[in-house]
Amino acid sequence: QVQLQESGPGLVKPSQTLSLTCTVSGGSISSGSYYWSWIRQPAGKGLEWIGRIYTSGSTNYNPSLKSRVTISVDTSKNQFSLKLSSVTAADTAVYYCARARKVYYDILTGYWGGAYDYWGQGTLVTVSS
Amino acid sequence: EIVLTQSPGTLSLSPGERATLSCRASQSVSSSYLAWYQQKPGQAPRLLIYGASSRATGIPDRFSGSGSGTDFTLTISRLEPEDFAVYYCQQYGSSPETFGQGTKVEIK
Repeated sequence: QVQLQESGPGLVKPSQTLSLTCTVSGGSISSGSYYWSWIRQPAGKGLEWIGRIYTSGSTNYNPSLKSRVTISVDTSKNQFSLKLSSVTAADTAVYYCARARKVYYDILTGYWGGAYDYWGQGTLVTVSS
Repeated sequence: EIVLTQSPGTLSLSPGERATLSCRASQSVSSSYLAWYQQKPGQAPRLLIYGASSRATGIPDRFSGSGSGTDFTLTISRLEPEDFAVYYCQQYGSSPETFGQGTKVEIK
């Protein structure tokens, strides 16, 4: 059974960088059949996709956050990570990591699509001084 | 970016009733690459439906999805007590992938 677990500081000061790690167990992050994403949810609101990483190390980011986001992968530790810089109170949210099976490929854009079949439990990150 | 609009915002129903949730896209969703998720308080979303109409592993057959193009529907044929939750649609046919704002199914 695949499990994902987020970890990282629950409190980050404004203007600093939010850093989270997702540890995958029960399966290899190196499998080419999947990609790995970060998704967040402010309290009482909906879901926002932040970005994704493929096992090759290539990434896609939400255009609204692209200038501040970096996602990386460490296959030796079966982990992938999120860094979000210059945070403000608007970045306060529950952050989820999730896995999607690749089912669709757009050859023109290099985009893979898939639904998220496994999620971490989520971790609350509060941005406050 | 494809904007997904879910309606209604809240659905008040009794156990045993049928629930019909709508997800409308601002432009056509490629090849019906649309998913539905269920989220209960304090929990991560759970995949119910992918490809607009295929049930995910372990999902009861009272959940069904339909639609294509810009209009999609999630139907819960007979609501069980554990089905009262928030439901989100997501399109993954084009980048950036996007989610709807959610429909809350509450006990009447």
